[in-house]
Amino acid sequence: DTGVSQDPRHKITKRGQNVTFRCDPISEHNRLYWYRQTLGQGPEFLTYFQNEAQLEKSRLLSDRFSAERPKGSFSTLEIQRTEQGDSAMYLCASSFRDRGVDEQFFGPGTRLTVL
Amino acid sequence: AQSVAQPEDQVNVAEGNPLTVKCTYSVSGNPYLFWYVQYPNRGLQFLLKYITGDNLVKGSYGFEAEFNKSQTSFHLKKPSALVSDSALYFCAVRALMDSSYKLIFGSGTRLLVRP
Repeated sequence: DTGVSQDPRHKITKRGQNVTFRCDPISEHNRLYWYRQTLGQGPEFLTYFQNEAQLEKSRLLSDRFSAERPKGSFSTLEIQRTEQGDSAMYLCASSFRDRGVDEQFFGPGTRLTVL
Repeated sequence: AQSVAQPEDQVNVAEGNPLTVKCTYSVSGNPYLFWYVQYPNRGLQFLLKYITGDNLVKGSYGFEAEFNKSQTSFHLKKPSALVSDSALYFCAVRALMDSSYKLIFGSGTRLLVRP
């Protein structure tokens, strides 16, 4: 499968614990995005990388959230001191800018439940 | 601020009948518009996009969408619905003049096609 992959698919944690999610984009895609989706809502943008540079962060991304994309390949999203309000589906997407406007391809998501 | 509205939480249609899923947007300048579909336990799948040119855009699985600048709408349509089209549909927008690559999503419309 050459699509965007995310690991783990599900994560249950206790409040206060740290969690880390991984995203592997489509090979050669230079752009990578993280979104968060809560029940009954559309995805909300969190952050965006072009290659290894983090170019944009949403106000939703509090100090407890950090994302990296070393070497411009896979990316990790870490949430420190999780809160119940962090429970959501975390979606990763990637795209490749060639010509025109690049559509984003999404992974299956990581569902986080904070108890 | 950019925004997307999907006024219907759910659309019900009989198999074989035409379907329309509505979307209106608000953005400064010209928009890039997208439709995505989400099946249970799967990520968002790209259906189609409008960048410029012909107002009628054709996409995957027989779907099409009509861009109407005066009404700021981008409704998704299909001439003949299939039961397998039942899913959650999201409209998204990005501003042409915006340096950000993030997508702004609507809250989604659940399509239910009955046999």
